[in-house]
Amino acid sequence: EIVLTQSPGTLSLSPGERATLSCRASQSVSSNYLAWYQQRPGQAPRLLIYDASSRATGIPDRFSGSGSGTDFTLTISRLDPGDFALYYCQQYDSSLTFGGGTKVEIK
Amino acid sequence: QVQLVESGGGVVQPGRSLRLSCAASGFTFISYAMHWVRQAPGKGLEWVATISYEGSNKYYADSVKGRFTLSRDNSRNTLYLQMNSLRAEDTALYYCARDPTLWGYESNYFDHWGQGTLVTVSS
Repeated sequence: EIVLTQSPGTLSLSPGERATLSCRASQSVSSNYLAWYQQRPGQAPRLLIYDASSRATGIPDRFSGSGSGTDFTLTISRLDPGDFALYYCQQYDSSLTFGGGTKVEIK
Repeated sequence: QVQLVESGGGVVQPGRSLRLSCAASGFTFISYAMHWVRQAPGKGLEWVATISYEGSNKYYADSVKGRFTLSRDNSRNTLYLQMNSLRAEDTALYYCARDPTLWGYESNYFDHWGQGTLVTVSS
């Protein structure tokens, strides 16, 4: 099973700042089969990024994904108030597993 | 627009059974693989099971294999999860989610999610 480790656990930032979230895999994720989701309190997750760097429909371009192999990054260029939430990465190369999440909170 | 509405959750004793449903609308249900993902209270996400668009292929997480059974009724646009021999560790919010790939093999990520139905296993 591919284990995904997200860091940091919590990111404290101010609106307008840049957020950089990391997702590290225990083994290489082939074909960059990695997705990112946002989960606001009391809501279902929402797909942001798939195939490591492709934005899902309707996702603003301030969200971007990058990386390959075992190291992946979600970047939010300028934090909006609605971006303060939990973020999960998920690999779909070998079965399906999620990372433990990164909480982006208001500083 | 795509809508997924889960139902069937509730409080159940360990060892008992429960069947969850997910009613789909706003898209051609028969064309898409579907998934269940769960989230224990205050915890992260865990994939549970996947069914192919026509229902012939089913995949399960090791944690539920042999206890949970996935099915779909394409004439009713409904997905089901039959959960038997429930354990305390099955307590979670269960989400129904759509696979993004039209026909063909599953992509195995999730482009639309329902709001979830809560299952609590407790004596």
